[in-house]
Amino acid sequence: SQQGEEDPQALSIQEGENATMNCSYKTSINNLQWYRQNSGRGLVHLILIRSNEREKHSGRLRVTLDTSKKSSSLLITASRAADTASYFCATDASSAGTASKLTFGTGTRLQVTL
Amino acid sequence: DTGVSQDPRHKITKRGQNVTFRCDPISEHNRLYWYRQTLGQGPEFLTYFQNEAQLEKSRLLSDRFSAERPKGSFSTLEIQRTEQGDSAMYLCASSLWRRDSGNTIYFGEGSWLTVV
Repeated sequence: SQQGEEDPQALSIQEGENATMNCSYKTSINNLQWYRQNSGRGLVHLILIRSNEREKHSGRLRVTLDTSKKSSSLLITASRAADTASYFCATDASSAGTASKLTFGTGTRLQVTL
Repeated sequence: DTGVSQDPRHKITKRGQNVTFRCDPISEHNRLYWYRQTLGQGPEFLTYFQNEAQLEKSRLLSDRFSAERPKGSFSTLEIQRTEQGDSAMYLCASSLWRRDSGNTIYFGEGSWLTVV
């Protein structure tokens, strides 16, 4: 079953604009990871944020986590055409210390136009 | 290339045939995972290994599916008597798991299966 839900399902912006995607989940988690997937390809790991962290940065990416609201957001600043892809959040809700699997949402399809 | 490697990338098979996918994880990664993804959906967990031990299997993994990781390195996923509903992308992933640290999971490019 899909634990997470990304919002919006699809997002279209112009190059140079910022893109914000949200993820909500249902159960307590150990960490949350964001992935990018180009059409027909595998998933590329973007960033991992632990349950005791509130914000994390990596290049043009900024991720926030609010465990009280069971939600996370991914911000891509100064977007580029190459950022066009589907973005998934994935939660690790396994028993503490086991980190056995990730549960993915349905993804946000981001289209960046010139 | 030191990423997760999957083979074949594409497979078309007739209903009822058996298929096998291979995955080579990132060197020294002790965990290996299999996921399945259908169009428009996120990946769904199938099973994972820690070294050569298969520690968890999803109920999605029917008895027609079997996965092995005999020497704790590469893994195979076999689907017997394929059905059209098995058509999907099968993703392999690996991680270096240590207790009390984040478990970043790295994915391969996937193996597309089309059952006709």
